Amino acid sequence: KAGVTQTPRYLIKTRGQQVTLSCSPISGHRSVSWYQQTPGQGLQFLFEYFSETQRNKGNFPGRFSGRQFSNSRSEMNVSTLELGDSALYLCASRTTVAGANVLTFGAGSRLTVL
Amino acid sequence: EDQVTQSPEALRLQEGESSSLNCSYTVSGLRGLFWYRQDPGKGPEFLFTLYSAGEEKEKERLKATLTKKESFLHITAPKPEDSATYLCAGFKAAGNKLTFGGGTRVLVKP
Repeated sequence: KAGVTQTPRYLIKTRGQQVTLSCSPISGHRSVSWYQQTPGQGLQFLFEYFSETQRNKGNFPGRFSGRQFSNSRSEMNVSTLELGDSALYLCASRTTVAGANVLTFGAGSRLTVL
Repeated sequence: EDQVTQSPEALRLQEGESSSLNCSYTVSGLRGLFWYRQDPGKGPEFLFTLYSAGEEKEKERLKATLTKKESFLHITAPKPEDSATYLCAGFKAAGNKLTFGGGTRVLVKP
């Protein structure tokens, strides 16, 4: 079974630009969540989608947005990029194994803002 | 405010030198706790889910335990390949909004 796939793996943007990141969850998983990881703040929750509906949102400005498609693939968008948006963006899909929650992460998309 | 704190921030061990990592939490309505391992440049890799005080889970040289206020990850006789950052995260009843700790960077020297 393929894991969580994120594209692109690396990208460089300049301040003021926008970026779109893509995530394909494990086949059959309908729940997708996004996290930002930086050296200073660690891993922080961005948002969560289930069956194309946003169920939860973290404390990030409106420049950060996302969506989920009918095939469960998800995208997140960051507009008007700032230097502080440089981070590893991680996507995760959730399933239940033997009654336990398991959240599986992708390898991430490393964004550098110059 | 929900909070998860891990200690120590960094740990240097000799191969075979067992140790424990701590994860203390104050998460209202906590449903359970995850432990993950993260290697540089990669996404976190799932290790364990713990739900109730007294619960223990084991995998190879790792053993995770949970009390009402904290969780421990014991590394028994570590090997250099156990070098990684270990993350714990609390989650609530619904959804995937995890509250992560800052992680413990473990370096195991041969």
